[in-house]
Amino acid sequence: ETGVTQTPRHLVMGMTNKKSLKCEQHLGHNAMYWYKQSAKKPLELMFVYNFKEQTENNSVPSRFSPECPNSSHLFLHLHTLQPEDSALYLCASSSQGMGQETQYFGPGTRLLVL
Amino acid sequence: GESVGLHLPTLSVQEGDNSIINCAYSNSASDYFIWYKQESGKGPQFIIDIRSNMDKRQGQRVTVLLNKTVKHLSLQIAATQPGDSAVYFCAENGDKIIFGKGTRLHILP
Repeated sequence: ETGVTQTPRHLVMGMTNKKSLKCEQHLGHNAMYWYKQSAKKPLELMFVYNFKEQTENNSVPSRFSPECPNSSHLFLHLHTLQPEDSALYLCASSSQGMGQETQYFGPGTRLLVL
Repeated sequence: GESVGLHLPTLSVQEGDNSIINCAYSNSASDYFIWYKQESGKGPQFIIDIRSNMDKRQGQRVTVLLNKTVKHLSLQIAATQPGDSAVYFCAENGDKIIFGKGTRLHILP
């Protein structure tokens, strides 16, 4: 266990559905991240939150909407997704959101969009 | 452009032998490097890290080597065990973190 939990672990949704992914870290970290992991591709950083403030949005389509109510919780709200959005969505956290830090990952949510 | 890549997508190693997984990076400003292990159905797990002021760092059964001259990073796993089967990928951290695609390590009985 890395101290980062994600729910649900698996999700199947239609293109018109609205769903949310949840991440919680129990490490006392101040930075949280959302990544997309597709087959045979490197991890793609989506969003970064530092002390609850969004500090990075890597040109992610608006059908993905993050929310960070506090330093321990991070959500990813999904709306009208496309089949190509099917992937493993990973949450991570780190101490301060600065360089030379290790990021600790959750187990991921396996998303399938039909 | 900036990239972090691995030379071999799949590596098969006999159980008990040593494994060497390689990684190339292109951003000379990167000063912190991490190796992650990702088992099937799990998220990436931190293995070992190294800062740019070091050439070598050892952990338990793992060693990371950094060659800044040729921008090369390697992960050595001693006495490979079945539990080492996973995808291994490196990450470089400079002004931003960049992950490699990964190498799948397959252990032969």
